[in-house]
Amino acid sequence: EAGVTQFPSHSVIEKGQTVTLRCDPISGHDNLYWYRRVMGKEIKFLLHFVKESKQDESGMPNNRFLAERTGGTYSTLKVQPAELEDSGVYFCASSQWEQGYEQYFGPGTRLTVT
Amino acid sequence: GNSVTQMEGPVTLSEEAFLTINCTYTATGYPSLFWYVQYPGEGLQLLLKATKADDKGSNKGFEATYRKETTSFHLEKGSVQVSDSAVYFCALTPSNRDDKIIFGKGTRLHILP
Repeated sequence: EAGVTQFPSHSVIEKGQTVTLRCDPISGHDNLYWYRRVMGKEIKFLLHFVKESKQDESGMPNNRFLAERTGGTYSTLKVQPAELEDSGVYFCASSQWEQGYEQYFGPGTRLTVT
Repeated sequence: GNSVTQMEGPVTLSEEAFLTINCTYTATGYPSLFWYVQYPGEGLQLLLKATKADDKGSNKGFEATYRKETTSFHLEKGSVQVSDSAVYFCALTPSNRDDKIIFGKGTRLHILP
C-alpha cells in the first residue's frame, strides 16, 4: 500500500511569488493534516481536514495560506504571496479511525523563499 | 496549554553507548505520548507510543515510559548503532482520537562508528 506522498520535494521561490504544495494521503484515510517545521523550531500543526471539510484550521498563520481538499482525496496548500518566514519543511499526514488514528507522515516539502 | 520540551541537540555518541533523550510535557487531561524519528532524507515515522500512565512503549530497542508523576517520557536505548543517527521528536496528542500532534523541537542524534 502506498504511503503519504508529497509534491514537490523541494521548492525554491522568490519573495512575493506563489507556491502550491500537494499531499496525497493514504487511500481511504478521511483525516488529513498539514504541519510545518521552521528551521530549528518545533513542528507545528497548521490544519486538519476530515474528508473535504476543515475540522480545525487554528494553526494557519495568516490569510496568505489557503488549504483545499476538493473531493476529500488529495489536498493542496497554497502560499500567496510567499514571505521569507514561510521557509521551512511542510509535512502532511493522514489517519483513519480503524488504525487507531495513528498519523502517517509524508516525506515533507522543503520550501525556501529567497 | 499543551506543550512538549525535549533536550537540545545535537547529541553525539559512540556506537554501543547508552542513549537517553529527555522529554517532559505539559498537558491537561490524559494525553497520549509519542516518539517520532526522521532518518536522513525520509519522512517522520512513529517510533513508539504510550497512551496511559505507566505504559512503556518500545520498538527497535528503544523504550520510553509514560511517567505522569514527573510528566516525562524519556527515550532510552541500551546500545546505539550508527543507523540510529536521525532526528528524534517527542510529541503528544491531548487524547487518543483524531487530535493534532504537538511536537517538541527535535533532537539530532549522531552516532560515531
